[in-house]
Parts: sequence; C-alpha cells; structure tokens
Amino acid sequence: AQKVTQAQTEISVVEKEDVTLDCVYETRDTTYYLFWYKQPPSGELVFLIRRNSFDEQNEISGRYSWNFQKSTSSFNFTITASQVVDSAVYFCALGPREAGGTSYGKLTFGQGTILTVHP
Amino acid sequence: ETGVTQTPRHLVMGMTNKKSLKCEQHLGHNAMYWYKQSAKKPLELMFVYSLEERVENNSVPSRFSPECPNSSHLFLHLHTLQPEDSALYLCASSQTPGQGKEKLFFGSGTQLSVL
Repeated sequence: AQKVTQAQTEISVVEKEDVTLDCVYETRDTTYYLFWYKQPPSGELVFLIRRNSFDEQNEISGRYSWNFQKSTSSFNFTITASQVVDSAVYFCALGPREAGGTSYGKLTFGQGTILTVHP
Repeated sequence: ETGVTQTPRHLVMGMTNKKSLKCEQHLGHNAMYWYKQSAKKPLELMFVYSLEERVENNSVPSRFSPECPNSSHLFLHLHTLQPEDSALYLCASSQTPGQGKEKLFFGSGTQLSVL
C-alpha cells in the first residue's frame, strides 16, 4: 500500500522567512513519481513539480526548491524568502510509474500542510 | 478563463434531493477525474474517465453517478446523499492518462453541503 505523510498540519511564518514543508512516503514500487501541488484559497490545486524516482537531483525553481532523498523516502519542499502570496495548502503526492498505462491518475495524496505567511 | 471550470461553486442540498455537478475542461485533455476533499482527510480519487470511458471507480457508493458525454465534459450526479458526503468535490483533467506521470489540472471545486 502507498502512503504519504505530511506531519506538519499547519505552519505559520513571517514574510521573508524560509520555510520547509516535509513529505515522507511509503511505497513498495521500485519506480514511481512524486508531486507537489499548491491549493490557494480559490480552491483549485496547482501543479508545482513532478519528480521521477530515478532522478535524485535536487531542483530549484525561483524561490522554490525540492530535496528528494530516496534513502529516507522524503521529498521536502522549501520556499525561500516567503511571501504572503505563498499562503496556501500544500499537498505532496505519490504516483505509480507503470508501463502500459494502467495507473490512471492514482495519486496518493498527503493530508496537506496549511502554510500561512504573515506580512 | 481557467482551464478547468466547475459549476456550481457552492451547493446545499437535502438528503432527498437530486443534483448534478458539472465540469468542463478547455485544455484538449483526454482524461478527466473526480476527487473528493473532506476536512482533515487526504484527497480521494473517486472516478476516472479516459477517452470518455470510465476506467476507474474507487469503491464509490452508488448515490454518486458520473457521466462523461464527451472528452470536455464531466458530470457527477448526486441523489439521496448523506451528511458525511459534505465535502469539496474537485474535477481534474490530464493529457496522458494511465502512465502515472500525468500532471493534473484542477478546477476550483464545488463545495457541497448535505443537510
């Protein structure tokens, strides 16, 4: 069975602080995909990043960076110099990497971390 | 205009009512999904349609009935719901279903309250 744990239910920071959102996953699959989605107050989840389990290189996109550690089954997300607009619920998700097309979006989501950035 | 549009945004219904949620995607995608987001629970995949055929039904009660008349439209018909069905219902679409790597594009959801 697959499982995604986001142990931090809520995080509150002041603008310009750095913040790291933790994600730990469990899977028996040897290959898989990891995702982060952002859900702003408007409700729609917005895709942030997808990482193939074969690729353990860390990735940076502007103020966002992701640290994938396969050895500890973690895929943490850091926001540098946080801004009020970063306030949202952030979801980590795990998807099976199946050849032949049978997974059909079977993402396992974590419970989400509510991030509040105060001015 | 967002890529995935859901209506209504809010819905209040009694347990004996029949209502429908509508989702429309303007992205030319081949797959559409219904997810349920309840308070303090992870998102739950309910149904998946690929090329207008239902390919996944995640043990969802029969009081929820999906319909996908074409690749751009997805409905969720509701009847005799229970209060515990109150949740945010999210529609999503993707371009390449079934490979595990699909990037999902979500609508803003319908916040459903069952009285």
